Amino acid sequence: QQPVQSPQAVILREGEDAVINCSSSKALYSVHWYRQKHGEAPVFLMILLKGGEQKGHDKISASFNEKKQQSSLYLTASQLSYSGTYFCGTANAGGTSYGKLTFGQGTILTVHP
Amino acid sequence: DAGVTQSPTHLIKTRGQQVTLRCSPKSGHDTVSWYQQALGQGPQFIFQYYEEEERQRGNFPDRFSGHQFPNYSSELNVNALLLGDSALYLCASSLDLGRSSYNSPLHFGNGTRLTVT
Repeated sequence: QQPVQSPQAVILREGEDAVINCSSSKALYSVHWYRQKHGEAPVFLMILLKGGEQKGHDKISASFNEKKQQSSLYLTASQLSYSGTYFCGTANAGGTSYGKLTFGQGTILTVHP
Repeated sequence: DAGVTQSPTHLIKTRGQQVTLRCSPKSGHDTVSWYQQALGQGPQFIFQYYEEEERQRGNFPDRFSGHQFPNYSSELNVNALLLGDSALYLCASSLDLGRSSYNSPLHFGNGTRLTVT
């Protein structure tokens, strides 16, 4: 079953913050986050493993609540280059995952000057 | 260091025809996964190849088949094309970590845009 992302779209001014949420109904091994710009390939941002680990990448960070099977992506002091569609991809627990990801429907982030 | 390369970039086919898409993984990667991305949607897992075998498969019909070669490159074949097969087909490579492969980032190619008329 596909994870659910919210919100579906966000519009920001440069310097503003945003949070994108990803919720799964299944137990997870990990949550991946990717960003896809129009006409380009999705680009890997980070992986969150079960255990509530929080990771950071410059001004982009994320958390994973294993009990709730929810992950959140935090973008602080947004830049124009942050614009794109953000996808979470989940690796379901139980059995052997081998890295198969189930992606959410995406969140469109637009940053204006 | 070359990333994931896919060919062709665009393809137009007629219903009922067959198509082959190609993918070369990132250097050092041994696993190739194929995803279908419809317009405005997230990528959907088709299947994954490792050691020249299909290791996992998503909810796609047998019309979708693939192959992985000894150099880790891969092909996706779709037979008896339907209008609904029109989509962006993404190839993603990764490094196999065995049962911890959920910890292995995917590196995507730019995709092949398939249009079925």
